[in-house]
Amino acid sequence: DAGVTQSPTHLIKTRGQQVTLRCSPKSGHDTVSWYQQALGQGPQFIFQYYEEEERQRGNFPDRFSGHQFPNYSSELNVNALLLGDSALYLCASSARGLGSVEQYFGPGTRLTVT
Amino acid sequence: KNQVEQSPQSLIILEGKNCTLQCNYTVSPFSNLRWYKQDTGRGPVSLTIMTFSENTKSNGRYTATLDADTKQSSLHITASQLSDSASYICVVSANTGGFKTIFGAGTRLFVKA
Repeated sequence: DAGVTQSPTHLIKTRGQQVTLRCSPKSGHDTVSWYQQALGQGPQFIFQYYEEEERQRGNFPDRFSGHQFPNYSSELNVNALLLGDSALYLCASSARGLGSVEQYFGPGTRLTVT
Repeated sequence: KNQVEQSPQSLIILEGKNCTLQCNYTVSPFSNLRWYKQDTGRGPVSLTIMTFSENTKSNGRYTATLDADTKQSSLHITASQLSDSASYICVVSANTGGFKTIFGAGTRLFVKA
């Protein structure tokens, strides 16, 4: 049973570029949440997707957008990258449809913006 | 304002010793509290999850306690091992119609031989 997977593991982009990060949830999970974690800080909630719709959103600008596909996998898109967007981006999945709040995290994607 | 504060910020202990990490929260209405272990550059891994009615929960050498009245939780690590070196993050969820999840900044634990 595969856990949460994320791709790519590392990414280097230049200011102003756009990036797409991908996440496949744990088998049986239907909800995907995205987090940004700066070095030495706790994860900050970006948004959550369930039934292919954004259900909750944290305090992040519209440059951050996402999508959930029918197979429950998800993408996080960041436009007009800033140096401050450099962070570890974590994806977490849960079985919201079953009323579970237990989240399982992926290994993360390390994004560096130069 | 919903907040989760953890202490200490960092901690150094000798292998084999015990330690206790603290978590205070002001999240309301409380739904559940989770402790995660996060190795550097990796995703967090769940250690325990507790709801309002649970006072203590163990997972091997990790024991979490919850006092919902004082809004405090602790994570006790027994007989520490070098592999316990990691960040420990306290996460509190509020049931506000949709779940709102607040992460603490974490406690960085260093276990030395």
